[in-house]
Amino acid sequence: AQKVTQAQTEISVVEKEDVTLDCVYETRDTTYYLFWYKQPPSGELVFLIRRNSFDEQNEISGRYSWNFQKSTSSFNFTITASQVVDSAVYFCALSEEDTGRRALTFGSGTRLQVQP
Amino acid sequence: KAGVTQTPRYLIKTRGQQVTLSCSPISGHRSVSWYQQTPGQGLQFLFEYFSETQRNKGNFPGRFSGRQFSNSRSEMNVSTLELGDSALYLCASSSGSKREGRHNEQFFGPGTRLTVL
Repeated sequence: AQKVTQAQTEISVVEKEDVTLDCVYETRDTTYYLFWYKQPPSGELVFLIRRNSFDEQNEISGRYSWNFQKSTSSFNFTITASQVVDSAVYFCALSEEDTGRRALTFGSGTRLQVQP
Repeated sequence: KAGVTQTPRYLIKTRGQQVTLSCSPISGHRSVSWYQQTPGQGLQFLFEYFSETQRNKGNFPGRFSGRQFSNSRSEMNVSTLELGDSALYLCASSSGSKREGRHNEQFFGPGTRLTVL
């Protein structure tokens, strides 16, 4: 069965520090998608990135970067030079294609607090 | 494009009552999924509707049901409310069709916070 593990429950950093959020997943499908979402205090889940299982290229978007490694079943997210506005709960999620079950399986989330 | 809208944003009910939540997807999106978020269980998938048909279902009791209308708007109903149903209910929309590409990118609404007393 599919599973997503975010072992870090809460991380606290000081502004301008770099921070990496870990995500490890389990799936039997060969075709799957991985996602990161941000949930600010308002509650809405904000889509950050989608990556499919055949594309292991790392991606950078501004201060955000993602490292996908199939060999370790990990899809880690790094925020460079963190800012107070980055404070939120971040969720990693998995969607499987082979079984047609495209529902998102979420990790338990990592709460990031960026102190000024 | 307008985002996903959910109504109401907050709701207070008592045990045994029933409740209906509404979700309007992004224009052009035909897939609507519902998720429940609680502190104890996290984010859990309830069901997905595509073109008025339930396409996927999570592991929730039959008290939880939904439907989708021809304009892709969706409603979720919970009957005989229990205290444990208190949660943030999130609706997500996506194009839902592989031919349209990026079919499983799900965009979430602000949620409906349900409190059961």
